[in-house]
Amino acid sequence: DIQMTQSPSSLSASVGDRVTITCRASQNIRNYLNWYQQKPGRAPKVLISAASTLQSGVPSRFSGSGSGTDFILAISSLQVDDFATYYCHQTYSAPLTFGGGTKVEIK
Amino acid sequence: EVQLVESGGGLVQPGGSLRLSCAASGFTFSNYWMHWVRQAPGEGLVWVSRISTDGRSTSFADSVQGRFAISRDNSQNTLFLQMNSLRAEDTAVYYCARVYDFWTGYYDYWGQGALVTVSS
Repeated sequence: DIQMTQSPSSLSASVGDRVTITCRASQNIRNYLNWYQQKPGRAPKVLISAASTLQSGVPSRFSGSGSGTDFILAISSLQVDDFATYYCHQTYSAPLTFGGGTKVEIK
Repeated sequence: EVQLVESGGGLVQPGGSLRLSCAASGFTFSNYWMHWVRQAPGEGLVWVSRISTDGRSTSFADSVQGRFAISRDNSQNTLFLQMNSLRAEDTAVYYCARVYDFWTGYYDYWGQGALVTVSS
């Protein structure tokens, strides 16, 4: 199975900060990497697919980059609505696997 | 509007069974692969199972292989997860999710989740 390692597991940041979350795959997954945002009590919502494709309706302050084994989700200027948990998700091979999540909290 | 609505969750004793349903609307259900993903309380997301558009191809996480079955009724636009021999570690919110397309594999729509609690 492909292991997905996210870092950090949590972070505290202020509104307006630039935030980056890293996801590392245990083997080459090309660009089969997606990012989701989840708020408490809610289902996840896709932000980025195929490593860097911003989903319709997602603010442009979100961006994704990387390929192979190393990926980054960046939020250019953190907003109140962005405080949530973020997950990376590989769809290169079964079983599909998620990272452990990164909880973004208010400083 | 695309909607996925899970039902069938609840409290069950260890060793018991439960069947989850996911009613789909707002899209041509038979054109999409569907998956189940679960999330234990306070934990992360874990893929459980998937099924092809026609129901002929299925796969499962090792942790549920042999105990869970996935199926679909395209005439009723409904996805199912039959869970047998339930264990405490199966306690989680179970989400059904639609796969946008086979090649990218990401989930573009999720249900609201169904809570399954396995406890005596």
